[in-house]
Amino acid sequence: GESVGLHLPTLSVQEGDNSIINCAYSNSASDYFIWYKQESGKGPQFIIDIRSNMDKRQGQRVTVLLNKTVKHLSLQIAATQPGDSAVYFCAENMGPGGGNKLTFGTGTQLKVEL
Amino acid sequence: GAGVSQSPRYKVAKRGQDVALRCDPISGHVSLFWYQQALGQGPEFLTYFQNEAQLDKSGLPSDRFFAERPEGSVSTLKIQRTQQEDSAVYLCASSGSFQGNTDTQYFGPGTRLTVL
Repeated sequence: GESVGLHLPTLSVQEGDNSIINCAYSNSASDYFIWYKQESGKGPQFIIDIRSNMDKRQGQRVTVLLNKTVKHLSLQIAATQPGDSAVYFCAENMGPGGGNKLTFGTGTQLKVEL
Repeated sequence: GAGVSQSPRYKVAKRGQDVALRCDPISGHVSLFWYQQALGQGPEFLTYFQNEAQLDKSGLPSDRFFAERPEGSVSTLKIQRTQQEDSAVYLCASSGSFQGNTDTQYFGPGTRLTVL
């Protein structure tokens, strides 16, 4: 079946730099996208979400961009801190028609170097 | 406030044993989801409840997996005759969504199951 496609790179950034994590999704029917952060030994933690009728949403130090034309999602983290080190997943939700279940990619490991 | 809790946090089982994993969702949340996460992978959907009704169990890998939520709050995922390929982290998530809405799913810490 269709699923969020997220290859597993490791992204290393210097503390204070901006980070950009990318995700390609394949299901054009998805109407809700979410970024989760997962630290070792913990469950995924909600970061930010975006609906398909938007192309940008900002939170505290984070911005999510959605490009439906090329089915691409990105997470931007400003002024990356050591506490941002974790695995980041994008997930898509097809909404009630799809049972509200999330489809995840495999994740990107973010490493923040001091 | 209290988030989603799961117990036990770690479970070691011998192949062939039955296990039961518990999830306490956020109080008042209508929807509850179970996911399975293999090492280095993203979580994969197992099953979904709305109150006590199991509306989707399409992700359960075999008939050895069974989930219930009899009173619409606490849920239990049971795995019978465990096999080594069942080793994974089992995550529970809850959301306040009613049918027709899409709300954020909040995850518990997971139960790491190791089958020897």
